[in-house]
Amino acid sequence: DAKTTQPNSMESNEEEPVHLPCNHSTISGTDYIHWYRQLPSQGPEYVIHGLTSNVNNRMASLAIAEDRKSSTLILHRATLRDAAVYYCILSALLQGAQKLVFGQGTRLTINP
Amino acid sequence: NAGVMQNPRHLVRRRGQEARLRCSPMKGHSHVYWYRQLPEEGLKFMVYLQKENIIDESGMPKERFSAEFPKEGPSILRIQQVVRGDSAAYFCASSLNRDSNEKLFFGSGTQLSVL
Repeated sequence: DAKTTQPNSMESNEEEPVHLPCNHSTISGTDYIHWYRQLPSQGPEYVIHGLTSNVNNRMASLAIAEDRKSSTLILHRATLRDAAVYYCILSALLQGAQKLVFGQGTRLTINP
Repeated sequence: NAGVMQNPRHLVRRRGQEARLRCSPMKGHSHVYWYRQLPEEGLKFMVYLQKENIIDESGMPKERFSAEFPKEGPSILRIQQVVRGDSAAYFCASSLNRDSNEKLFFGSGTQLSVL
């Protein structure tokens, strides 16, 4: 399984942008980059995913490096409800299954 | 528009008892995944099922654990003769397809506590 590297924790202030980095130097050409987040006592929640081009949705933006060896999840204006563990995951069909392999993620703290 | 439903939300068992965890996928989804999360750890993949078939059980412990997804009804994760080390949050997810760009939708989990 391709591996990702994320900082263990990050801190930001409410209403400021947050940039969450992820390194995936061993990514293969068919791997999609997925981001999920997990709020306390809840199941993971899909945030965004992409392959090569930058992506935007109502929750966040995903900036993917040209060589695809790193990506950044951007929360444009953080709120207290964005405090969660954010997981960067490479997804590929393994043994016929779309299997997401979760790492330790980045614990994001938002200060009021 | 119900999401992935898991029950019970909390389950308490004594050592040696059986635990049955249920998961109803989102409407129209035929792909189900089970994950386990030990305290203060990340999620670990356990098993992937399609209707009536186990596709990938590479993350399942060899003994005491089994999973099924019958033609009718929810997916069941069954743990026989539970031990204290089985205490964890068990999450189920479902997807519409199995493509690598497919989103997974997760339930709220079942917190299993073994006394």
